[in-house]
Amino acid sequence: GQQVMQIPQYQHVQEGEDFTTYCNSSTTLSNIQWYKQRPGGHPVFLIQLVKSGEVKKQKRLTFQFGEAKKNSSLHITATQTTDVGTYFCAGRETSGSRLTFGEGTQLTVNP
Amino acid sequence: ETGVTQTPRHLVMGMTNKKSLKCEQHLGHNAMYWYKQSAKKPLELMFVYNFKEQTENNSVPSRFSPECPNSSHLFLHLHTLQPEDSALYLCASSQVTGSDEQYFGPGTRLTVT
Repeated sequence: GQQVMQIPQYQHVQEGEDFTTYCNSSTTLSNIQWYKQRPGGHPVFLIQLVKSGEVKKQKRLTFQFGEAKKNSSLHITATQTTDVGTYFCAGRETSGSRLTFGEGTQLTVNP
Repeated sequence: ETGVTQTPRHLVMGMTNKKSLKCEQHLGHNAMYWYKQSAKKPLELMFVYNFKEQTENNSVPSRFSPECPNSSHLFLHLHTLQPEDSALYLCASSQVTGSDEQYFGPGTRLTVT
């Protein structure tokens, strides 16, 4: 079955440093979504990418979908303590199929 | 954020108990989901309902029994659970299955003793 892998599993940064998490799928994806889960919280939808090579920005967050639609990345510029949490990618193999979540990258930001 | 609510927020139950988790969404969505989140594991999809009909059962043991009386409510009935079933159980909803973002509830932290 489809597998979605994320690296790194953990990332500790100093406030102000950049952060990137990578997501790789074993199969070509129809679309990919990113979620953020704060400590003690629940996943909150951030964005969905659909097109090959698509890049979307949300303030300091940049999301990219690979040309082959098998990988994606989330980059945060100049991290802040409010960025702390676990970032999950979730891919859909075909339109209408289930979302398969990656294991997540847990980000810690030291002030 | 109160779009998707879950009760109870915390539950401790013995292996011989029967309990139910409740989820309610106020977003007018037609699809609802149950996920299990264990430490150091990806979110595991358990069940999917679309317009009250179960469309997916991800090989979940029969000690977990879902119920969806209408598009706004979803239950997860629990009986004779095992300690390894201890986890955060998350409910989510979306407009329809298949393409939309999912809105998650706060979860029920379940401990099986």
